[in-house]
Amino acid sequence: EIVLTQSPGTLSLSPGDRATLSCRTSQSVSSSYLAWYQQKPGQAPRLLIYGASSRATDIPDRFSGSGSGTDFTLTISRLEPEDFAVYYCQQYGRSPITFGQGTRLENK
Amino acid sequence: EVQVVESGGSLVQPGGSLRLSCAASGFTFSSYAMSWVRPAPGKGLEWVSAISGSGGSTYYADSVKGRFTISRDNSKNTLYLQMNSLRAEDTAVYYCAKMGGYRGPDYFDYWGQGTLVTVSS
Repeated sequence: EIVLTQSPGTLSLSPGDRATLSCRTSQSVSSSYLAWYQQKPGQAPRLLIYGASSRATDIPDRFSGSGSGTDFTLTISRLEPEDFAVYYCQQYGRSPITFGQGTRLENK
Repeated sequence: EVQVVESGGSLVQPGGSLRLSCAASGFTFSSYAMSWVRPAPGKGLEWVSAISGSGGSTYYADSVKGRFTISRDNSKNTLYLQMNSLRAEDTAVYYCAKMGGYRGPDYFDYWGQGTLVTVSS
């Protein structure tokens, strides 16, 4: 199975800062079949990005995804207070579907 | 508005069985694959099982293969997960999720709020 490694484990930033989250896969992900999710405590995950760089419905344009092959990045250009949460990447290029372990974005 | 609502979670003894349900609305249910996903302690999220839009193709994680059975009733817009031979490590919130296409693997574009399964004596 494809293993996804997210870094850093925890990112401490302030509102207005730029956040850069990394997801590295153990094998190349075909056709950039990579997604990003946001999860807040007590809530279900929410799809942010699919196809490595396509924003999901109603996702603000401060969220952007990039990358290909084995290295992918989620960038939040200017953090809002509601952006502090846990972020997961997921690959769906090969079965089984796998997720990264998550990056916790905390308010400094 | 797309909605998926899980039910059926409860406390069950090791070795026991449970059936989860997921009622879907707001989209053409039979046109999309559906999945179950659960948190994995220290590992983020774990995909459990998926089923194609028609129900003709099913997929399972190795950790549940042979114990769990996914199914769907397109006439009722409902997804199911039959869980047998439950183990303590199956304890989790189980999320029902709509997938982006007709058959897996795919991304998950809508999620329910989850239903809690606790396996304990």
